Amino acid sequence: EAGVVQSPRYKIIEKKQPVAFWCNPISGHNTLYWYRQNLGQGPELLIRYENEEAVDDSQLPKDRFSAERLKGVDSTLKIQPAELGDSAVYLCASSSSGQGVRTEAFFGQGTRLTVV
Amino acid sequence: LAKTTQPISMDSYEGQEVNITCSHNNIATNDYITWYQQFPSQGPRFIIQGYKTKVTNEVASLFIPADRKSSTLSLPRVSLSDTAVYYCLAVNDYKLSFGAGTTVTVRA
Repeated sequence: EAGVVQSPRYKIIEKKQPVAFWCNPISGHNTLYWYRQNLGQGPELLIRYENEEAVDDSQLPKDRFSAERLKGVDSTLKIQPAELGDSAVYLCASSSSGQGVRTEAFFGQGTRLTVV
Repeated sequence: LAKTTQPISMDSYEGQEVNITCSHNNIATNDYITWYQQFPSQGPRFIIQGYKTKVTNEVASLFIPADRKSSTLSLPRVSLSDTAVYYCLAVNDYKLSFGAGTTVTVRA
């Protein structure tokens, strides 16, 4: 079974430019997460989807970040315009809602963003 | 979400047992203690989860006392490949909140 697929793996952009990350979760997983991980820190939740509905986006900087999960399958996270402080690894994860509280989330390898 | 506290780092040698203690004094009734492992340049990977007493799988054991205010992840006979960051989470529903984790370094 394929795991969570993210692309691109690496991205270098100049500040003020837009950037987008793509995530394809494990087939059948209703829940999709986007996390941001700064160097030396744990992942920080940006947004969580249940199917196509964003149920927790309280940590998403909505002035420059946006996300969508059309049809409740794959998802895109966008930053426009990017700032130097956005340099980080962006992780996507998915889980099956049928597990209830015993959530095991599966993570992709992440996209390492460098803003110069 | 219950806040968890764990050591920043731990050093060990190959073949030794590594025990990482996590404190979660305000854990909620519905919270499950869950541990993830993260290698460099990879996303976190689920290791083990438990509610109370002891849980064991092929990778680790998890000990949770009756008051559930702390838990201990035990990695038996570690090897160099167990060098990673280990995260302790109190999971309720689908909320996964990561702290800084414990960096475990295994030396030859």
